[in-house]
Amino acid sequence: QKEVEQNSGPLSVPEGAIASLNCTYSDRGSQSFFWYRQYSGKSPELIMSIYSNGDKEDGRFTAQLNKASQYVSLLIRDSQPSDSATYLCAVPTGGGNKLTFGTGTQLKVEL
Amino acid sequence: EPEVTQTPSHQVTQMGQEVILRCVPISNHLYFYWYRQILGQKVEFLVSFYNNEISEKSEIFDDQFSVERPDGSNFTLKIRSTKLEDSAMYFCASSDGRLQETQYFGPGTRLLVL
Repeated sequence: QKEVEQNSGPLSVPEGAIASLNCTYSDRGSQSFFWYRQYSGKSPELIMSIYSNGDKEDGRFTAQLNKASQYVSLLIRDSQPSDSATYLCAVPTGGGNKLTFGTGTQLKVEL
Repeated sequence: EPEVTQTPSHQVTQMGQEVILRCVPISNHLYFYWYRQILGQKVEFLVSFYNNEISEKSEIFDDQFSVERPDGSNFTLKIRSTKLEDSAMYFCASSDGRLQETQYFGPGTRLLVL
């Protein structure tokens, strides 16, 4: 079983809609979860972190965590064309600080 | 806003040559990392570094790789004898002592081995 799994997409949403990105992880001991945004040819940019079950909101972004289901999601409200990117889910694994990344979900926001 | 910087942005080298990739982490950060991303693949952990020593490394990080913090600001990744399969984007990241797992990435060095 892969440690961090994401649907590779592409996920296409119209401008102004809500984009929903999902991630599952295998390490039940994981305590922190991160969403990064990566534009083509660029480096990962941290957009959200979440540590507790439930929702965490930051502007148009909401991260949702369900540790019992080993599931973390990212909602983007009022999607904009500039949100078109690959969204990476990352989880510290192995008890240390190393991040294990998913393959990423490509989001396309269409005009 | 403080950021991680990396040089060079692009590096082309011949197979078997040594390369050194340089990073300047965020100034008050204590933990440093190297990751790589082969074109079209996911970001992979290489090594973490804390208190002037390697704290964790992956199976990718074999004897051809080494890391060093030669002074108070730079953090380097050396590949002794490059292979074709070392061609990738190499990202440096750093985190502070309080939120160790919250890592901020530099812009990357694109390495092409011919």
